Amino acid sequence: QKEVEQDPGPLSVPEGAIVSLNCTYSNSAFQYFMWYRQYSRKGPELLMYTYSSGNKEDGRFTAQVDKSSKYISLFIRDSQPSDSATYLCAMTPSGNTPLVFGKGTRLSVIA
Amino acid sequence: ETGVTQSPTHLIKTRGQQVTLRCSSQSGHNTVSWYQQALGQGPQFIFQYYREEENGRGNFPPRFSGLQFPNYSSELNVNALELDDSALYLCASSSDIAHSPLHFGNGTRLTVT
Repeated sequence: QKEVEQDPGPLSVPEGAIVSLNCTYSNSAFQYFMWYRQYSRKGPELLMYTYSSGNKEDGRFTAQVDKSSKYISLFIRDSQPSDSATYLCAMTPSGNTPLVFGKGTRLSVIA
Repeated sequence: ETGVTQSPTHLIKTRGQQVTLRCSSQSGHNTVSWYQQALGQGPQFIFQYYREEENGRGNFPPRFSGLQFPNYSSELNVNALELDDSALYLCASSSDIAHSPLHFGNGTRLTVT
């Protein structure tokens, strides 16, 4: 079993839809959880950064962490064609240790 | 604020050759990490440098080596290239402030033929 599991998709949704992206993990030591967005031929761009369980909202994006289920989610409201990218979840036990990434989910938002 | 910059953007090498990739960290960041991202995969941690010393290494062989310079820029060197080394190599920087997140460059796309 991989440490972090993420469905690679691809996921295709119409413009304006609510998108739900998810990762599961096996290492209970993970405390810090991140979502990165990666456009084609670009590096990952940090979207959301959360510590432990709970929700965090930033504009159209909401990150949720459920440590009891070892499950994290990213919700995108009112999705736009510019949201079309690969979304990577990442996590680490402490703030300064290496990140463990999921495979990434490829999202297409169709106008 | 200058972000993380990497050079070159693309590189083609032959199996058995050696390659050096370069990275300039974001202003104010003194920690540099390198990751390898194979096609269709998430990034995999190679190693991390802090104040010119390697202070963490992933599951990569010794032919992957690095340097960090006093200005916090960094190099990744790969010797005896293999076909499986073909990937996007990402540099990321962060500060030593607790919980400082990683900021990535756009990577160097290495193709080994």
